[in-house]
Amino acid sequence: AQSVTQLDSHVSVSEGTPVLLRCNYSSSYSPSLFWYVQHPNKGLQLLLKYTSAATLVKGINGFEAEFKKSETSFHLTKPSAHMSDAAEYFCVVSEPRDGSARQLTFGSGTQLTVLP
Amino acid sequence: NAGVMQNPRHLVRRRGQEARLRCSPMKGHSHVYWYRQLPEEGLKFMVYLQKENIIDESGMPKERFSAEFPKEGPSILRIQQVVRGDSAAYFCASSPLGGSEQYFGPGTRLTVT
Repeated sequence: AQSVTQLDSHVSVSEGTPVLLRCNYSSSYSPSLFWYVQHPNKGLQLLLKYTSAATLVKGINGFEAEFKKSETSFHLTKPSAHMSDAAEYFCVVSEPRDGSARQLTFGSGTQLTVLP
Repeated sequence: NAGVMQNPRHLVRRRGQEARLRCSPMKGHSHVYWYRQLPEEGLKFMVYLQKENIIDESGMPKERFSAEFPKEGPSILRIQQVVRGDSAAYFCASSPLGGSEQYFGPGTRLTVT
């Protein structure tokens, strides 16, 4: 069975400072891992994905995440926060068994606040 | 290429009525997924469909909820005899055959009064 734990429900940073959103996962298979962002009353946008290629994954809007199998972690980082980054972020795991997408398991989310 | 479309965006129903939520996948995508997001929570998987087939409905409540993805037309999530606890945002996602990522629609926000 797969599961995801987002270690912080709320993170607050000042504009221009680094962002770190933490995520640990549990999976019986070699998982695919994703980060999605959700702005208020909007749908979800895929930020980046890991699917057993390079362990450091670069996404949109300057975000990146590093897959660490030994730590079962997939933390999301950004060197410098922007006001427009304020949103809810979800870490997601999937266990595709035949190469195709299956059900995604979402973490509970981290609300990122960016202070001016 | 239009993204995943969902309608309506907002739906208000009184207790006991039926709710029908529609999802049109991205062009070329043959797989559809439905998720529910309760207030202050992450999304929870409900059902995974291909055209005319339910592949995985392990997340669907046993009663009142059903889903279909007909040969022609959008996927439909149907909730019969809605109750207050059904109030949530319902998201649809789609993926191509063999794809590992899912693309989400804007969601339908259901309010049961």
